[in-house]
Amino acid sequence: EPEVTQTPSHQVTQMGQEVILRCVPISNHLYFYWYRQILGQKVEFLVSFYNNEISEKSEIFDDQFSVERPDGSNFTLKIRSTKLEDSAMYFCASRGALGKLFFGSGTQLSVL
Amino acid sequence: SQQGEEDPQALSIQEGENATMNCSYKTSINNLQWYRQNSGRGLVHLILIRSNEREKHSGRLRVTLDTSKKSSSLLITASRAADTASYFCATDATGANSKLTFGKGITLSVRP
Repeated sequence: EPEVTQTPSHQVTQMGQEVILRCVPISNHLYFYWYRQILGQKVEFLVSFYNNEISEKSEIFDDQFSVERPDGSNFTLKIRSTKLEDSAMYFCASRGALGKLFFGSGTQLSVL
Repeated sequence: SQQGEEDPQALSIQEGENATMNCSYKTSINNLQWYRQNSGRGLVHLILIRSNEREKHSGRLRVTLDTSKKSSSLLITASRAADTASYFCATDATGANSKLTFGKGITLSVRP
């Protein structure tokens, strides 16, 4: 079965540094999402992306965040200047037929 | 405002028993979905029920939807130790490839 892949699986960074989280959505999907989950808490929506532009974003997705689809396969989330509270598991998802989301295994981001 | 809220927050049952998990939501929906998350992994889609449906089955899963009460339940019959995971309900407000809004999840432990 096709799957969403995310790299790296773990990322450790110093506060104030930039990080780029990478995702390869399922190839024939058109809608892409980033979610995050702080340990043991709810899964929070960050941003949705369609046709090379953001279609919706949450309050969490401030000016420090950006997304990009630099080529036909990758979908990236950049955090320009990380804060301690950005530490979380970040999940990429793409949307298939009938509306269900396919999630990657996540990138655990630790900001020190 | 928080959309999906599951209860109970945690459930522990014996293998072979049925597990019932509930979800309530606040706004109108196009569909409601249930996802499963094994510890430290991505979410896996289980089942989707549309707003005009009242009940749906998939293998050992049965989901109900009551739009008048804005609630849904997920029943797992004849539970197995491998069903141990967190379960999330997610609401889709418009169905037009909009975001899914997740609840906090229910931690299910199935004792062998």
